[in-house]
Amino acid sequence: AQKITQTQPGMFVQEKEAVTLDCTYDTSDPSYGLFWYKQPSSGEMIFLIYQGSYDQQNATEGRYSLNFQKARKSANLVISASQLGDSAMYFCAMRELSSQGGSEKLVFGKGTKLTVNP
Amino acid sequence: DAGVTQSPTHLIKTRGQQVTLRCSPKSGHDTVSWYQQALGQGPQFIFQYYEEEERQRGNFPDRFSGHQFPNYSSELNVNALLLGDSALYLCASSFPQAGYGETQYFGPGTRLLVL
Repeated sequence: AQKITQTQPGMFVQEKEAVTLDCTYDTSDPSYGLFWYKQPSSGEMIFLIYQGSYDQQNATEGRYSLNFQKARKSANLVISASQLGDSAMYFCAMRELSSQGGSEKLVFGKGTKLTVNP
Repeated sequence: DAGVTQSPTHLIKTRGQQVTLRCSPKSGHDTVSWYQQALGQGPQFIFQYYEEEERQRGNFPDRFSGHQFPNYSSELNVNALLLGDSALYLCASSFPQAGYGETQYFGPGTRLLVL
């Protein structure tokens, strides 16, 4: 079974500074995918960034980058130049393939609450 | 391009009642997954529908059932509601893309309160 661990229940950062949100994972599958989602208080899960296990480069999407360290089984999210609107819950998730094949589900961590201070 | 939509946004029910939640996938997506998110937790996978059939199911009792229609929209039904069913129910849609896996895009969710 796969497992996602987010050890930071809450993080604080000053506006315009960078912040790193930690995520470690556990899987025996050689092929997997890692996702980060943002969940504002409204509830909607917003897709931020994806990293495949075979990707050679760390993923980047605007101010978001993923620090992927395969040997350590970590996939930390880095948010640069934090903005007040970045305050939200952040979830790390892993794609788990069905044993029957052909379908995938996401397994989520418990999340990290990020607060950006002015 | 319309995203994933869900209805209703909020719902209050009493124990023992039945509830139906609805989801319309993102344009071009054919797969719908449902998740339950209890307060303070990450989402938990309920089941996934593709081509109008349940393709994969998580660890949820048979009280949770679903349906997918020919237009790819989906319903989640929960019978004999328990207090513990109170949660945010999230619908996600996806379409397989080579080399990218199935990125799931989520709707705004339905907040269910069982009294």
